[in-house]
Amino acid sequence: GEDVEQSLFLSVREGDSSVINCTYTDSSSTYLYWYKQEPGAGLQLLTYIFSNMDMKQDQRLTVLLNKKDKHLSLRIADTQTGDSAIYFCAEPHGSSNTGKLIFGQGTTLQVKP
Amino acid sequence: EPEVTQTPSHQVTQMGQEVILRCVPISNHLYFYWYRQILGQKVEFLVSFYNNEISEKSEIFDDQFSVERPDGSNFTLKIRSTKLEDSAMYFCASSQMGTGNQPQHFGDGTRLSIL
Repeated sequence: GEDVEQSLFLSVREGDSSVINCTYTDSSSTYLYWYKQEPGAGLQLLTYIFSNMDMKQDQRLTVLLNKKDKHLSLRIADTQTGDSAIYFCAEPHGSSNTGKLIFGQGTTLQVKP
Repeated sequence: EPEVTQTPSHQVTQMGQEVILRCVPISNHLYFYWYRQILGQKVEFLVSFYNNEISEKSEIFDDQFSVERPDGSNFTLKIRSTKLEDSAMYFCASSQMGTGNQPQHFGDGTRLSIL
């Protein structure tokens, strides 16, 4: 079945780059998503990448996709304390025609001043 | 920017009682979803809804759960007889299309606590 895996915790210093990794299992996924959850808040859509792309850049965010290895990463350049949050990767369930998302367990990013 | 809104932000209910969680999806979206996140666990899909009917539901979504779109703006999740294990954060989401090719936008969630 579909599964999405992430490491649980990442700690970086302010100004450094952060790289959050994710592996997924469904090779038929057309889009892959990154969501951000700040304390006490909902899931904020951060960025997403179409499966025929290798890379997508959006200001400080860079998404890299390796379809062969089913590996997705989110790089945050010049990480700020405001980037401290839980980051979830998600893929649409392959056999679903309703777009239901399968989430990873989330990576807690801690940014130290 | 349009957003999904959920009420209440926190609901405390006695075990066995009925609870209704409310959501207002983004106005031009056609697909609606409920997910839940038990503390410390993954976000799990519950149900998707399109054209006034359930299009897909998970194993979690048993007979105690129901969804409704009572008017043109609200989308509700009802739990008929709550159990302790229903305690979780419940997220509503909506999207323009339901193929996974359009991103789902989430509300801030309702924290449900069953006593």
